[in-house]
Amino acid sequence: NAGVTQTPKFRILKIGQSMTLQCTQDMNHNYMYWYRQDPGMGLKLIYYSVGAGITDKGEVPNGYNVSRSTTEDFPLRLELAAPSQTSVYFCASSSRGETQPQHFGDGTRLSIL
Amino acid sequence: QKEVEQNSGPLSVPEGAIASLNCTYSDRGSQSFFWYRQYSGKSPELIMSIYSNGDKEDGRFTAQLNKASQYVSLLIRDSQPSDSATYLCAVNRRSGYSTLTFGKGTMLLVSP
Repeated sequence: NAGVTQTPKFRILKIGQSMTLQCTQDMNHNYMYWYRQDPGMGLKLIYYSVGAGITDKGEVPNGYNVSRSTTEDFPLRLELAAPSQTSVYFCASSSRGETQPQHFGDGTRLSIL
Repeated sequence: QKEVEQNSGPLSVPEGAIASLNCTYSDRGSQSFFWYRQYSGKSPELIMSIYSNGDKEDGRFTAQLNKASQYVSLLIRDSQPSDSATYLCAVNRRSGYSTLTFGKGTMLLVSP
């Protein structure tokens, strides 16, 4: 099983450039999430989605946008890259319900120079 | 007060010893608790989940939950060098939908 797949694995951007981080899952999960993880820090929730067409802000949404047109895909868009967005980005998915664990992709390492 | 707190460590234990990792949380309404293991440069992977007060055992791992004290712990028996990783505590947030709040993690180092 592929699980949660993220692309690309690594990317270097220049300040002001834009890009989309791709995330797709094949587990038919309703819920999907985007996190960022800075060195020595825990995971910070950027955006999440509870189903196609429904998204909501997490703890640190500024500078990012998301869309959820299908159950499988949940892309994260950076419009004007800033050095503060240098981080490791993880996508996760879960079934509906508070007891359901989240399953993570391998992450995207993004550097803004 | 931080929502989910963990000692950052590192926690150093010799091979074969019991490692005890602790986590406290601030939201009394939290219902679900998860422990994730994260190797350096890798993504978090689920180790244990616990929802009721008491102990839950899975192989060498035991999760303990005390909702009255707002405390959850993870015990690793017969620690192995391969257990060396950062352990993240995650607690659900009752915000209408199921989102998790993660602690910063505790680094565990198991020496041969």
